[in-house]
Amino acid sequence: NAGVTQTPKFRVLKTGQSMTLLCAQDMNHEYMYWYRQDPGMGLRLIHYSVGEGTTAKGEVPDGYNVSRLKKQNFLLGLESAAPSQTSVYFCASSQTHSTGTDTQYFGPGTRLTVL
Amino acid sequence: DQQVKQNSPSLSVQEGRISILNCDYTNSMFDYFLWYKKYPAEGPTFLISISSIKDKNEDGRFTVFLNKSAKHLSLHIVPSQPGDSAVYFCAAKWDFGNEKLTFGTGTRLTIIP
Repeated sequence: NAGVTQTPKFRVLKTGQSMTLLCAQDMNHEYMYWYRQDPGMGLRLIHYSVGEGTTAKGEVPDGYNVSRLKKQNFLLGLESAAPSQTSVYFCASSQTHSTGTDTQYFGPGTRLTVL
Repeated sequence: DQQVKQNSPSLSVQEGRISILNCDYTNSMFDYFLWYKKYPAEGPTFLISISSIKDKNEDGRFTVFLNKSAKHLSLHIVPSQPGDSAVYFCAAKWDFGNEKLTFGTGTRLTIIP
C-alpha cells in the first residue's frame, strides 16, 4: 500500500515549456487535490476532483489544468510555465465527505523550478 | 485575505517542556479544524482534529483546544520530544459536503535537546 505517490520528484523547466505532474493513489479515494506550497503562504489549493471524470477550481487555478480520467490518478498540467509557478506541489486524496471527518493524505511533493 | 493565520513562523522549546502552537481564523463558517505536521522533503501528515461542537480533543501527547468566540485554536504537545521538530500547519473547513481545506502559513517547531 503506497498511499499517494507523485511523479516526478524534481523538475527544472524553462519559461514557456509545458509539463504534466502525475499523482496516483491506491486507497480507492474519491477526492483528490493539487496544492502548491510557497514560503510564507502555506498550502494553497489549485484544483480538486470529487470523483472520476470531475474537476473543479480551487484558490489559485490560473495557469494550470487538471484531468481525472481514472479514479486513482490526478494529473496537473502546466501549458506554458512561468517563473511564478516555481513552487513545491503536493497532491492529496481523501474518502467521501459522508462523515465530514475524513482527513486528506498527502504525497511527498514535486519541487518545480521555472527559469 | 488570509482566513487562517499562524502568526508565529517559528518556535523553539526545550525537550520535555510544553509546546503551544497557535492558530486564528476569521471565517465563522469554519466548523472543523485540523493540524498537520510536515517534515522536510515529505508531504504533510494528519495529526489531530477538532469539531466546532467540542472545545478540546486529546490524543496522547497532543491536545487541541478550540475557542469559538475568539476564533482561536491551539495545539499543545506535552512533553515535547526531538521528533516533534517539524512545521505544523493549522487547517480549517466547513462541513457541508465541502472537503476543501484552508491552510495557515505554518509554524516551524524546534525542540532543543
